[in-house]
Amino acid sequence: GAGVSQTPSNKVTEKGKYVELRCDPISGHTALYWYRQSLGQGPEFLIYFQGTGAADDSGLPNDRFFAVRPEGSVSTLKIQRTERGDSAMYLCASSPPSPIAGGTLYEQYFGPGTRLTVT
Amino acid sequence: AQRVTQPEKLLSVFKGAPVELKCNYSYSGSPELFWYVQYSRQRLQLLLRHISRESIKGFTADLNKGETSFHLKKPFAQEEDSAMYYCAARKGKLQFGAGTQVVVTP
Repeated sequence: GAGVSQTPSNKVTEKGKYVELRCDPISGHTALYWYRQSLGQGPEFLIYFQGTGAADDSGLPNDRFFAVRPEGSVSTLKIQRTERGDSAMYLCASSPPSPIAGGTLYEQYFGPGTRLTVT
Repeated sequence: AQRVTQPEKLLSVFKGAPVELKCNYSYSGSPELFWYVQYSRQRLQLLLRHISRESIKGFTADLNKGETSFHLKKPFAQEEDSAMYYCAARKGKLQFGAGTQVVVTP
């Protein structure tokens, strides 16, 4: 079946511009996560949705970053007044509504990412 | 502060040799622990988790609570094991280490 998809795969924008990054989770997955991965680092948590609501947005670095998931499926990460330091790979992941067999953990399935470059 | 540390940025091993990727965590309490892998031009995927006590693709990971470590091991590395490996811990949100690039040469 289809995995998590993200569009665009690459985005180049000028400093100060507004960008939107889109994530399509696996159908039926109620949890959705956004991560940012800078060069040479592991993914860094940004925000977690359970359904339509942001259950944890403690990873958003500042108020220029905002994410929505209005219908509990597709999510958009929005960055206002982009800065060069925002350049990174932005990853989305989704997880199913029930634990996988044999455990209490929710496996996260990752998308291919959007590489954002701010010039 | 909660932290996941992978001290090696790069590990280069010969095919058939053992490989061990180090991971240490600093958390209050006991987090859930994972290893993720990213092969070239593929997306990040779960390799294994500590509660499953399973072996995936010949890899095992031993949790040592006393040393707060979760090292990943494979006795005989294969060329297809060349990838980026991330250790991760979760207590609430998932936190990743910086990753170790493994290169297996023939």
